[in-house]
Amino acid sequence: TQLLEQSPQFLSIQEGENLTVYCNSSSVFSSLQWYRQEPGEGPVLLVTVVTGGEVKKLKRLTFQFGDARKDSSLHITAAQPGDTGLYLCAGGSGGYQKVTFGTGTKLQVIP
Amino acid sequence: DAGITQSPRHKVTETGTPVTLRCHQTENHRYMYWYRQDPGHGLRLIHYSYGVKDTDKGEVSDGYSVSRSKTEDFLLTLESATSSQTSVYFCAISERGGSPLHFGNGTRLTVT
Repeated sequence: TQLLEQSPQFLSIQEGENLTVYCNSSSVFSSLQWYRQEPGEGPVLLVTVVTGGEVKKLKRLTFQFGDARKDSSLHITAAQPGDTGLYLCAGGSGGYQKVTFGTGTKLQVIP
Repeated sequence: DAGITQSPRHKVTETGTPVTLRCHQTENHRYMYWYRQDPGHGLRLIHYSYGVKDTDKGEVSDGYSVSRSKTEDFLLTLESATSSQTSVYFCAISERGGSPLHFGNGTRLTVT
């Protein structure tokens, strides 16, 4: 079973601070996705990265896929209360492209 | 947003009773999935479907069965609910295997 470990599990920061969330595995993935989930709702896709070393930016969010395609990071610059939520990474691999989810990072941004 | 509807949104049932959760999509996507989400475990795949009447097991399939008789509907059945199946259940769809998932808003199931 492929495992994706996210760190930290919980993060509480003040508005305006920067933060980085990590997603690590011993397995190689063909793609990696990041989702954000708000209470009472399903996860919503933020980005997909597919190439080792790839960096994608989405406004204040920067996503990076490791060179070996085993890890990824999410960096948020100048966090805002609207960034509050559960951030999930998910790796795609396998014959039918099974998607494995990490355990999540719960972020709280305090105004 | 992808058109995915889960029903019911909330359900409380007793141990030993059968329960069926429904997922309905309007996107005509080939792949459909059932996940459960529990604290400390993240999202775990129960079953998935890659076409009408084509289904397969995920990592936590024991105690669950699924059926897909139409492209738009994917049913999850707990034949005899147990307290360990208390969870939030999410349906997801994707165009192809491994492509990004679009999730419904979940069903919160409590087994007493």
